[in-house]
Amino acid sequence: TQLLEQSPQFLSIQEGENLTVYCNSSSVFSSLQWYRQEPGEGPVLLVTVVTGGEVKKLKRLTFQFGDARKDSSLHITAAQPGDTGLYLCAGARGAGSYQLTFGKGTKLSVIP
Amino acid sequence: DTAVSQTPKYLVTQMGNDKSIKCEQNLGHDTMYWYKQDSKKFLKIMFSYNNKELIINETVPNRFSPKSPDKAHLNLHINSLELGDSAVYFCASSRGGETQYFGPGTRLLVL
Repeated sequence: TQLLEQSPQFLSIQEGENLTVYCNSSSVFSSLQWYRQEPGEGPVLLVTVVTGGEVKKLKRLTFQFGDARKDSSLHITAAQPGDTGLYLCAGARGAGSYQLTFGKGTKLSVIP
Repeated sequence: DTAVSQTPKYLVTQMGNDKSIKCEQNLGHDTMYWYKQDSKKFLKIMFSYNNKELIINETVPNRFSPKSPDKAHLNLHINSLELGDSAVYFCASSRGGETQYFGPGTRLLVL
């Protein structure tokens, strides 16, 4: 089983602070996805990264895929209470792979 | 309109009962999935169907049986429910191996 380790598991910060969440594996993935899940809802896709070294930005969120395609990071600038949620990374094993392996998530709380 | 819908949203039942969870997607996708999310929020795939055919069947007790009557539906039937089956079950769908869209989840509590 290919495992994805996410860190930190929990993160509580003040509004306006910056933060980074990490997703690491010993295995290579063809692509990696980041989801956000809010209480009582299903995960919602934020971004997919495919190419080693790729950087994608979504407003205040910056996603990076490691050069070796084994790890990824999510950086949030000037966090807001609306960023609160569970952030999940998920790796796909092959191009067009149906099977995603999920990390255990980072629970982020942004305090006003 | 809800893209991926599940019913019921909450399900409380006794050990030993048989129950079903229904999932429907109106996105025209050809692949549907069932995931289980435990109390620690770990999301693990259980099954996947592509064009009504089973393509992923992870190590899941055979008390769990998915049924896909058509491409827009993937139901999950659970026999002889056990305490450890308590979790949130998510349905998802995708076009081929592309982005998966998740439903709102079914919170199952076995007493």
